[in-house]
Amino acid sequence: SQKIEQNSEALNIQEGKTATLTCNYTNYSPAYLQWYRQDPGRGPVFLLLIRENEKEKRKERLKVTFDTTLKQSLFHITASQPADSATYLCARGDDSWGKLQFGAGTQVVVTP
Amino acid sequence: GAVVSQHPSRVICKSGTSVKIECRSLDFQATTMFWYRQFPKQSLMLMATSNEGSKATYEQGVEKDKFLINHASLTLSTLTVTSAHPEDSSFYICSAETGTGANVLTFGAGSRLTVL
Repeated sequence: SQKIEQNSEALNIQEGKTATLTCNYTNYSPAYLQWYRQDPGRGPVFLLLIRENEKEKRKERLKVTFDTTLKQSLFHITASQPADSATYLCARGDDSWGKLQFGAGTQVVVTP
Repeated sequence: GAVVSQHPSRVICKSGTSVKIECRSLDFQATTMFWYRQFPKQSLMLMATSNEGSKATYEQGVEKDKFLINHASLTLSTLTVTSAHPEDSSFYICSAETGTGANVLTFGAGSRLTVL
């Protein structure tokens, strides 16, 4: 069965630095990977999507990469701010409709 | 943008009682909604796919008689946890695809269920 794994250890980072999160998947490459942000006690919020045939996507201070050789996606937050502190979830999608498989998320803590 | 409203945000109930959670799409129609459950420090686990006007599709291991899903209209899906037990205590979140493609989901704020 496919797995999607994120680093369970919290990432503590100083304001202004770049936070880099890792999402690894097993078996075949998904059609796309999505990244969500989740704040405590809240539902996830969609951030970025990257398709299998794309190497990199950007949105403001966020950047996502998709490496099918390493079976990995990296999520970068540049010039991090305390407001970026949250848990970030990676999700793989294999169908044209419906189900996503989520990782457990990585907590990011940005200190001033 | 698309908004999914979920209610209640928190509910505490006694063991053996039933609890209903509502999920509404406020500014769009959702023929399909998804119900997830999340335990602390764990990933979202898909429980079922709710289809407007038809029966829900449940994931393996999810008891359909315990977690009743009704999708009576294009803007409302409900999840009823029947005869709740303490092990059902969890964070339940609904979501809907917003139509932007590639299954991008808009989530509700979640419902924290505590069964005493």
